Amino acid sequence: DAEITQSPRHKITETGRQVTLACHQTWNHNNMFWYRQDLGHGLRLIHYSYGVHDTNKGEVSDGYSVSRSNTEDLPLTLESAASSQTSVYFCASSESIRGGGYTFGSGTRLTVV
Amino acid sequence: AQKVTQAQTEISVVEKEDVTLDCVYETRDTTYYLFWYKQPPSGELVFLIRRNSFDEQNEISGRYSWNFQKSTSSFNFTITASQVVDSAVYFCALSENTDKLIFGTGTRLQVFP
Repeated sequence: DAEITQSPRHKITETGRQVTLACHQTWNHNNMFWYRQDLGHGLRLIHYSYGVHDTNKGEVSDGYSVSRSNTEDLPLTLESAASSQTSVYFCASSESIRGGGYTFGSGTRLTVV
Repeated sequence: AQKVTQAQTEISVVEKEDVTLDCVYETRDTTYYLFWYKQPPSGELVFLIRRNSFDEQNEISGRYSWNFQKSTSSFNFTITASQVVDSAVYFCALSENTDKLIFGTGTRLQVFP
């Protein structure tokens, strides 16, 4: 069965370190998204991609980067982790048709100490 | 710009009560899609419903029902005869022509036995 997986599920890192969160989907979806979830803010869009080699900034992109070298993967990199980036991160993918369904990963809980 | 407002931060009810979760959206597009997701304590996001802007028919699925009113830009969610298992955070979300899914801040529903 097709799926979308995130790794790791939990991560503790130190301030200033570079961290990469993985997202892999086997739905063959062109669209992929990264969100962060924080109390009182819901889910906010960090970066998104409509296809290979395409990346776009969301509303909270500062301090994050993504790259899309194939259809299946959209890794999220925190260039220099900050305590404000402690959050739960969700990856999602969707069909590139209007109103297509969105599939979410199980989330990665990141703690920056 | 697109925006989703869930004014109710937290709602507490006793089992078997009916409860309505409010969702108000803003968009300039004539074609858009509205979603509801459930996030139980385990943390995953569970898809509940998708509705396109051209279909204002109310929908019922078991104890769940949705009321879509374009005139008031609202897409409210009602749980009839609530149960403890309905305790979760519920998110309303909007997708328009960019295919980005924009979330409200969520409503935490607590159902007490």
